[in-house]
Amino acid sequence: GAVVSQHPSWVICKSGTSVKIECRSLDFQATTMFWYRQFPKQSLMLMATSNEGSKATYEQGVEKDKFLINHASLTLSTLTVTSAHPEDSSFYICSALQGRTSNQPQHFGDGTRLSIL
Amino acid sequence: KQEVTQIPAALSVPEGENLVLNCSFTDSAIYNLQWFRQDPGKGLTSLLLIQSSQREQTSGRLNASLDKSSGRSTLYSAASQPGDSATYLCAGGSNYQLIWGAGTKLIIKP
Repeated sequence: GAVVSQHPSWVICKSGTSVKIECRSLDFQATTMFWYRQFPKQSLMLMATSNEGSKATYEQGVEKDKFLINHASLTLSTLTVTSAHPEDSSFYICSALQGRTSNQPQHFGDGTRLSIL
Repeated sequence: KQEVTQIPAALSVPEGENLVLNCSFTDSAIYNLQWFRQDPGKGLTSLLLIQSSQREQTSGRLNASLDKSSGRSTLYSAASQPGDSATYLCAGGSNYQLIWGAGTKLIIKP
């Protein structure tokens, strides 16, 4: 149980294109989802926390207008990288929180590798 | 402010030897400590989750300990195999906020 599906797993596109990444909790409801970014050989960096039905909370230094997050249902959150440029190339990982108690772990998707040409 | 450190950044171990990976954290007030495995270009695989009230967790060949007083967690695996080669990440905090170590890249030499 507690499977998180992330799609697409890999995308290559031209500079200036907007790219949407989906994160779905397949067998549970997730009121909270998280979006991370990982540069090569570095650890995960939290970009934003997404709560169903409300605006996402962005970490310091993350541009809200650049990285649009929508969490319209209890099983789906989307991250849209608007007008992507080569510096946005990275590995993006989502996670979903099952339940509301403090001892529940985050469940992670398999990540999306974004390459902007 | 919680900080999580993993030393060394890279480790090479002969096949068959026991494996010990270290994770240090600065704030003992953590809800849980998690260990993950990440293969190159892939996502995260959750290995073990230790709650703050626990001292260790076991899953298969893996055993993880948590010592809040010293701010340390250790991931232990007996008889390492080439398939264990990967980057191992630890993360501490609560379910709403995970603080990540930079990872230890492990290579098992056949």
